[in-house]
Amino acid sequence: SQQGEEDPQALSIQEGENATMNCSYKTSINNLQWYRQNSGRGLVHLILIRSNEREKHSGRLRVTLDTSKKSSSLLITASRAADTASYFCATDVALRNQFYFGTGTSLTVIP
Amino acid sequence: DGGITQSPKYLFRKEGQNVTLSCEQNLNHDAMYWYRQDPGQGLRLIYYSQIVNDFQKGDIAEGYSVSREKKESFPLTVTSAQKNPTAFYLCASRSREKREGLRGTGELFFGEGSRLTVL
Repeated sequence: SQQGEEDPQALSIQEGENATMNCSYKTSINNLQWYRQNSGRGLVHLILIRSNEREKHSGRLRVTLDTSKKSSSLLITASRAADTASYFCATDVALRNQFYFGTGTSLTVIP
Repeated sequence: DGGITQSPKYLFRKEGQNVTLSCEQNLNHDAMYWYRQDPGQGLRLIYYSQIVNDFQKGDIAEGYSVSREKKESFPLTVTSAQKNPTAFYLCASRSREKREGLRGTGELFFGEGSRLTVL
């Protein structure tokens, strides 16, 4: 399987704290994307980082990419209860028109 | 508003029956995808289509079929050959970046999903 791995599988933090989740993948990529999924809903795109980029910011989100280690991390700063959701990384695999999703991190932010 | 519409949201099926899940998008996207999600797991690709009248198998295509007769529509049929069809099914479409010099493709836009339960 080309599916990536994410860790931790579950994360519980207090409101206001930062949340960090990691993603590892197996093949060469064009870009890596992070998505959010509220329970029982579809996924929503958060941020995209290209293979030639090392860091990207969007609001309270910070994404890093290390292609030599085939890994990425998503940092959510100053978390809010509304950030409670599952977060998935997805790799746009080079030379293929497919996206491979990680196993997800379930984030719970306690008010 | 532009988006992807999946229907039905909930579907119950008896064993041995085929069911078809609808996916319609008005985003003018060329590529469309079907994913399956099991509890506590990530998404696995069933089928995808880059263009009208063309589609390819994903990692778990057995027991499923699709068609792409119109750009806007990509229905998925779960056949009786699918041994364990109970799952959450997600349809997505993809924008293609048109700016030169940039590699890769755009983000995926998802529908709200269809939850299929086999009785």
